[in-house]
Amino acid sequence: DAGVIQSPRHEVTEMGQEVTLRCKPISGHNSLFWYRQTMMRGLELLIYFNNNVPIDDSGMPEDRFSAKMPNASFSTLKIQPSEPRDSAVYFCASSTGLNEQFFGPGTRLTVL
Amino acid sequence: SQKIEQNSEALNIQEGKTATLTCNYTNYSPAYLQWYRQDPGRGPVFLLLIRENEKEKRKERLKVTFDTTLKQSLFHITASQPADSATYLCALDSGNTGKLIFGQGTTLQVKP
Repeated sequence: DAGVIQSPRHEVTEMGQEVTLRCKPISGHNSLFWYRQTMMRGLELLIYFNNNVPIDDSGMPEDRFSAKMPNASFSTLKIQPSEPRDSAVYFCASSTGLNEQFFGPGTRLTVL
Repeated sequence: SQKIEQNSEALNIQEGKTATLTCNYTNYSPAYLQWYRQDPGRGPVFLLLIRENEKEKRKERLKVTFDTTLKQSLFHITASQPADSATYLCALDSGNTGKLIFGQGTTLQVKP
């Protein structure tokens, strides 16, 4: 199994641009999580899906952030418009139920 | 308010010694607690899960304890090795939903 796949691995963009991060969970996992990690705030949960349905998006910072999961093997996190304070490492993770989570390698986002 | 606290300062120990990391929490009643390891530039990797009705869990050189009265978990690495150097994160479940809340992590440095 290839594990959780994220793309791109690095993204550098300018303020105001749209950014789309992509995630492919492990096959057979029914829960998917998007996290953001910064030195100041640590690892924060943004949103999670169960069986492709968003369950809790209380961690999404504001309306500029949106996430979708059109099917069991793909999810996107979109930031529009991006701002410098969105610079962080974004992780996607997947799991089966109430068990350990498997994290992807992350996307390092830099907004200039 | 809910809070998860881990040693904010890095822990430096000599190879062969036992490393003990602490995770304290307030205003949570987690059904289980997990520990993850994170290396620089990588996503967290699951190590151990311990449930509220378990006092202790072991895996090779790792041991986790969970005291729901003290609201504390201790994570031990015996016979530590330089390869154990990493950041260790504790995570609590939030409402038995699969959603995890992570601590800030403790960085462990094992010197040869």
